[in-house]
Amino acid sequence: SYVLTQPPSVSVAPGQTARITCGGNNIGSKSVHWYQQKPGQAPVLVVYDDSDRPSGIPERFSGSNSGNTATLTISRVEAGDEADYYCQVWDSSSDSVVFGGGTKLTVL
Amino acid sequence: EVQLVESGGGLVQPGGSLRLSCAASGFTFSSYSMNWVRQAPGKGLEWVSYISSSSSTIYYADSVKGRFTISRDNAKNSLYLQMNSLRAEDTAVYYCAREQSIAASLLDYWGQGTLVTVSS
Repeated sequence: SYVLTQPPSVSVAPGQTARITCGGNNIGSKSVHWYQQKPGQAPVLVVYDDSDRPSGIPERFSGSNSGNTATLTISRVEAGDEADYYCQVWDSSSDSVVFGGGTKLTVL
Repeated sequence: EVQLVESGGGLVQPGGSLRLSCAASGFTFSSYSMNWVRQAPGKGLEWVSYISSSSSTIYYADSVKGRFTISRDNAKNSLYLQMNSLRAEDTAVYYCAREQSIAASLLDYWGQGTLVTVSS
């Protein structure tokens, strides 16, 4: 089955740029979605279809996808961005939704 | 406003059964595919099951295949998950999530979840 690999943690100072990667075999050929989850809350969609943002999500959140790596970029990081972030794709070979293991973003 | 409200969670013994419900409002439920996603305590997200808008297509994760059954009642704007032969490893918060058709498996709205605990 298809596997998505994320770093367990990323740390960044306020105002800096955070980059969270999601690795998968030829992931560039898939549509990648990103979710933010804060403690005790349900996940929230922050980027879909590699690089599009839902309404209400700040422009600071952006995404890219090429080759074997998709990346969520958070510019001008704020304390409120501290959360777990998950990448996700549809795996047509197994007819299943696949999530990455999640990355905990810490704002120093 | 789109709302998804899960219910039916609780404590159940290993080998037991439980039926989860998800009440949808604020959108035309019958037009959307739906999913169940779970999260074990302190762990990441794990997809459980998918059902198309008309119930014609259903998928399950290998970990629940043969034990769980997804269904929906479009007249009642409700999604269900029948869970049988429950195991300790099924302990998790279960979320229902709406799937947006503009991109594959795009889960644009999630409920707040219901906790299922499998323990003797």
